[in-house]
Amino acid sequence: DGGITQSPKYLFRKEGQNVTLSCEQNLNHDAMYWYRQDPGQGLRLIYYSQIVNDFQKGDIAEGYSVSREKKESFPLTVTSAQKNPTAFYLCASTPPIPGNEQFFGPGTRLTVL
Amino acid sequence: AQKVTQAQTEISVVEKEDVTLDCVYETRDTTYYLFWYKQPPSGELVFLIRRNSFDEQNEISGRYSWNFQKSTSSFNFTITASQVVDSAVYFCALSDVMTTDSWGKLQFGAGTQVVVTP
Repeated sequence: DGGITQSPKYLFRKEGQNVTLSCEQNLNHDAMYWYRQDPGQGLRLIYYSQIVNDFQKGDIAEGYSVSREKKESFPLTVTSAQKNPTAFYLCASTPPIPGNEQFFGPGTRLTVL
Repeated sequence: AQKVTQAQTEISVVEKEDVTLDCVYETRDTTYYLFWYKQPPSGELVFLIRRNSFDEQNEISGRYSWNFQKSTSSFNFTITASQVVDSAVYFCALSDVMTTDSWGKLQFGAGTQVVVTP
């Protein structure tokens, strides 16, 4: 079945450590996105990528980094520079069709202790 | 700048009641797209409906219906005869036209928690 995989579902890290969240899709979509969700709030865009080896900052990119070496993969690294990294992280993808909906993964809940 | 406002934080209803979720948006674009997503307790967002700015026809799809009014920049969503499985957070989102700078980026509202009790 086609879809988006995010691993792990729950992730715990100590303060000051970098951590990488995985996002893989087999939908053959060109565009991929990372969102952050805090309790009681909507989703905010961290980074997005339209094609391989290209990505753009979203609204809250500070303290995060990404790579897009393969079409299927768009990992997100939460660095120690991110002041408040505890949140729910969602990855999404979409084909290059105007107005097409984004397809979301199951999310990773990151807790920094 | 784009903005989406969902003024209702939480709505509680008894099963079989109708639920209407409000969404007001702001954009300078003449072509744009509006979406409703559902987020059940599992966390994954599920796409529900989409409407483009040129199509103000309101439709019904099963128990879901929507009311898009460009004059008031509103895109309201109704669940008819609610069920316990409808309990979730519902998000309204706005997307502009795909360009090299803003390819399909979504601007989300804060979400409305719907609680349906038996």
